[in-house]
Amino acid sequence: EAQVTQNPRYLITVTGKKLTVTCSQNMNHEYMSWYRQDPGLGLRQIYYSMNVEVTDKGDVPEGYKVSRKEKRNFPLILESPSPNQTSLYFCASSTGQEWSYNEQFFGPGTRLTVL
Amino acid sequence: ELKVEQNPLFLSMQEGKNYTIYCNYSTTSDRLYWYRQDPGKSLESLFVLLSNGAVKQEGRLMASLDTKARLSTLHITAAVHDLSATYFCAASNFGNEKLTFGTGTRLTIIP
Repeated sequence: EAQVTQNPRYLITVTGKKLTVTCSQNMNHEYMSWYRQDPGLGLRQIYYSMNVEVTDKGDVPEGYKVSRKEKRNFPLILESPSPNQTSLYFCASSTGQEWSYNEQFFGPGTRLTVL
Repeated sequence: ELKVEQNPLFLSMQEGKNYTIYCNYSTTSDRLYWYRQDPGKSLESLFVLLSNGAVKQEGRLMASLDTKARLSTLHITAAVHDLSATYFCAASNFGNEKLTFGTGTRLTIIP
């Protein structure tokens, strides 16, 4: 089954304790990205990757890191989480092809609470 | 900078009625997406629209795109309870796949 998976699905942590949220897709997609969803603000892009070893900042990258060492994986790293990073996080992937519909598929989400 | 606005933010409607959700975007955009999100769930892709005048339909939902007016609509026909959800529109451009989202429309269908 074609899908985007994320782990963990729920996480409660404390300020300053490094954490990683994993994202994996099995559709051989070139493009992957991370979004956070906050009430009243919709979804905002954190980081994206056009291909292996190519990453760039989205709209709200502060406090986050990413890496793309393999095509299928795109982990989100919070080196020193703070309470304002409490949010619902989504990973998404697509073919990244221009001039096409480029449907983007979303993972199930990770609800993060930072105390 | 691309901005996307949806209205209404909240919509409560009776079963069997028709209604429309509006999505305006601020600058030229190559793609317009509609997603559905149920509480606590992920985003489900409904439609992707590319060209001016594009219309797509799936069941009781129909989406259209007017690129000249920078407007997309999601029309709901004869609403049923199962359509209760939050609906998002989003826009992107070729070469930059970032989705810029509207803030969503929370739709509640009342029996």
